[in-house]
Amino acid sequence: QKEVEQNSGPLSVPEGAIASLNCTYSDRVSQSFFWYRQYSGKSPELIMSIYSNGDKEDGRFTAQLNKASQYVSLLIRDSQPSDSATYLCAVRAGGSARQLTFGSGTQLTVLP
Amino acid sequence: NAGVTQTPKFQVLKTGQSMTLQCAQDMNHNSMYWYRQDPGMGLRLIYYSASEGTTDKGEVPNGYNVSRLNKREFSLRLESAAPSQTSVYFCASSEAQMVGYTFGSGTRLTVV
Repeated sequence: QKEVEQNSGPLSVPEGAIASLNCTYSDRVSQSFFWYRQYSGKSPELIMSIYSNGDKEDGRFTAQLNKASQYVSLLIRDSQPSDSATYLCAVRAGGSARQLTFGSGTQLTVLP
Repeated sequence: NAGVTQTPKFQVLKTGQSMTLQCAQDMNHNSMYWYRQDPGMGLRLIYYSASEGTTDKGEVPNGYNVSRLNKREFSLRLESAAPSQTSVYFCASSEAQMVGYTFGSGTRLTVV
């Protein structure tokens, strides 16, 4: 079983809608969770980090974490065509681990 | 600030040739990482260096070697390139355990 699972999509939403991206992870002791956005042909760019259960909001983005269910999600409100990209979920294990394990990404298309 | 700089951006190798991918960061980060990204596979960790003077294997280290030359620089060497090493290679760095990575712009490597 892959350690970090994402629905590969593609996910299409109309402009102005809420896009919901989901991620599950297998390591119960994981401590840090990140969402990256990657435009085609570009490098990943960090957009959100979350460390404790609940919601964290930053502008149009909301990250949600449920450690009991081993589930992290990203909501994008008022989606724009410029949000069209692949979104990568990344998880850092507990203890002294520094490396991140990435999901394979969800491709999001926002239709004008 | 330049952030994380990778060279070269593109490279074509013949099977059996060797090459070194260079990575340098100017953010005074302790930890550096090499990932490869293949379609449908997400980002997979090749090697990482938690701090200057240390290196550790990641998920897919076979066929690669690394050198943490100093705090700024972390190179990845392919001793005898194989077509299976055709990929996009990303270098990344991070300051501390609880924060995300900063990625370089990537090296697109094709082995023929």
